[in-house]
Amino acid sequence: DAKTTQPPSMDCAEGRAANLPCNHSTISGNEYVYWYRQIHSQGPQYIIHGLKNNETNEMASLIITEDRKSSTLILPHATLRDTAVYYCIVRVKKTSYDKVIFGPGTSLSVIP
Amino acid sequence: DSGVTQTPKHLITATGQRVTLRCSPRSGDLSVYWYQQSLDQGLQFLIQYYNGEERAKGNILERFSAQQFPDLHSELNLSSLELGDSALYFCASSVGPFSGANVLTFGAGSRLTVL
Repeated sequence: DAKTTQPPSMDCAEGRAANLPCNHSTISGNEYVYWYRQIHSQGPQYIIHGLKNNETNEMASLIITEDRKSSTLILPHATLRDTAVYYCIVRVKKTSYDKVIFGPGTSLSVIP
Repeated sequence: DSGVTQTPKHLITATGQRVTLRCSPRSGDLSVYWYQQSLDQGLQFLIQYYNGEERAKGNILERFSAQQFPDLHSELNLSSLELGDSALYFCASSVGPFSGANVLTFGAGSRLTVL
């Protein structure tokens, strides 16, 4: 799986959009981008994933650049409850199994 | 409720003891993953099972072992416990390999404190 790079921390004002970047410059054509978040000491929570096209669900939007080398997770109206560590993971579509590794992620602080 | 059930939620024990953590995967999921998260540390992959068989292994200590039973629940056994084993232990499940539309669903975790 391609390596991902995320900023270690970010701040966002409550009510504003939070834009969390992820660099995955070595991504290949059959690799998906996934986003998870972990609110303090809780189990990680799936947010969204995508392959090529931008995706949106009730939680967030995922914008993938045309060359797929980077992506941005957008929380449109951040609330205090969005304060969490956000993980970007790249996984190739496969039928076999291997380790699923989470990097250090981005610690997002939503500020009142 | 994610559908992945972990018990116990909290466990306090002494050094040298042995504990068992239990995980029931989401209905329909055949694969179970175990992770360890020490205080202010990242998620460390331990081991993965699919339909009763071990499929992937991380840096799991020899003092730790796991298995997945025919009813698909899984147990993580930690023995000869040390202070450094104090951590949150998460279980996750998926239908098949984590890829494509098969996403991981995590439980709420078991917090182990070794005194």
